[in-house]
This record gives sequence, C-alpha cells and structure tokens, in this order.
Amino acid sequence: SYVLTQPPSVSVAPGKTARITCGGNNIGSKSVHWYQQKPGQAPVLVIYYDSDRPSGIPERFSGSNSGNTATLTISRVEAGDEADYYCQVWDSSSDPKVVFGGGTKLTVL
Amino acid sequence: QLQLQESGPGLVKPSETLSLTCTVSGGSISSSSYYWGWIRQPPGKGLEWIGSIYYSGSTYYNPSLKSRVTISVDTSKNQFSLKLSSVTAADTAVYYCARWARDFGDDSSSSPALIDYWGQGTLVTVSS
Repeated sequence: SYVLTQPPSVSVAPGKTARITCGGNNIGSKSVHWYQQKPGQAPVLVIYYDSDRPSGIPERFSGSNSGNTATLTISRVEAGDEADYYCQVWDSSSDPKVVFGGGTKLTVL
Repeated sequence: QLQLQESGPGLVKPSETLSLTCTVSGGSISSSSYYWGWIRQPPGKGLEWIGSIYYSGSTYYNPSLKSRVTISVDTSKNQFSLKLSSVTAADTAVYYCARWARDFGDDSSSSPALIDYWGQGTLVTVSS
C-alpha cells in the first residue's frame, strides 16, 4: 500500500518561507497535488501536477517533486496562510487508489 | 459556477447503512473530463478518499472500504450517491462530495487525478 508521509506540524514566522514535505516511495514519478484546509472549511487546491498554481492562488505558493520527496513552499508567509495542508497522489498500482498524506498543520508564529 | 451540495441523514445507527447524495448544479455530471466522488474527514483527523465514479458508472473504491461502499450516479438528476453499509462509530466524519479532474495513464486508462471543486461537507454521526 502506497503511503504519503507529512510532518504533523510546521511553524514559521511571518514573512519567512515555509516548506512542507510529502514523502513517498519514488514520489517523483507521480503527480502530486496540494490542498489547503482552514478550520470549518472544505479544502482548496493550491498546487496541482507538482508545481502548477490554480487561478487565484498567490505566486507565493510553489511546489516541487523529485526522488522520494515532494515539497510545498510558501514564501513570505502571512497570518492567513495558517491552515492544514494535504498532499495527494493517484497510485496506479495493482489496486489503484487515491492516497492522501496525513496532513501538516502550518502555524504562523 | 459549479456547486456541489451533500444531502442525507446527519445521524445513523450502528450496523445500519449511511446514505448520502450529492447534487451538482452549474455543470453537467455527464462531462467526459471529470470523475465525481466522496472524501471523508473524522473529527480532528485527516482526509480519507472513499471512492470515485465516472458518469458511465465506472468506479474506483478505497480498498480499505471497498467491501462496504457503493457509489452510483444518476445523470438524469445530475446527482451521485454514496452508500456505506454496516457503519460503526469509526465512520463518524464530515463527508465531502467532490469533482475530480480526469487524467490518463500511459496505458490510456483514465483515473481521478485532483479535486477542483468540493461540496461544503456534511457531518454524519454514527450513534444509537
């Protein structure tokens, strides 16, 4: 079974850069999508296909994916970025399925 | 603007079947570009994929739930539905319906790739 591993929490000061990792076996060969979820709200797509940004998502959000780690990078972090972040892939193994990471709580200090 | 709205009982008894419907407005469920599906989130926990369906009726299910899950589509009503049988307290969660962009693999098979629209979510509690 394919597993995506995220750190439970990341803390960053306003104006600094936050990096949230998503680890998986050879994840670089898969397409990774990232969602932001604020309390009481449905998630929102912030990065798709590793590094593309949907319209309306600030350029401060970027993504990369290589080897066994995908990374969501948030530059010039703002208080409004405080949220849970989830990575997600499609695992096309013998038992194909969607896989979500466990989620990372981003705290803006 | 596409909208998805979940509906169904907010309280289900243990061992019974949870049934939810998602009504899609502002777009056609019969589009060839999308899958439709369900995700859940237990209180204070992360997201769990339940399953996805194409308008033709082709489905993918989470292997850990497969024996208890049925997802169906009604194109005439622009709706799709979830049934989860033999529920326990562990099935208590916010249930989201969602639209998935469709992707194609090297073998031309298609799959749900990413979620571009979510419903607002509905809390379902399993309790006697």
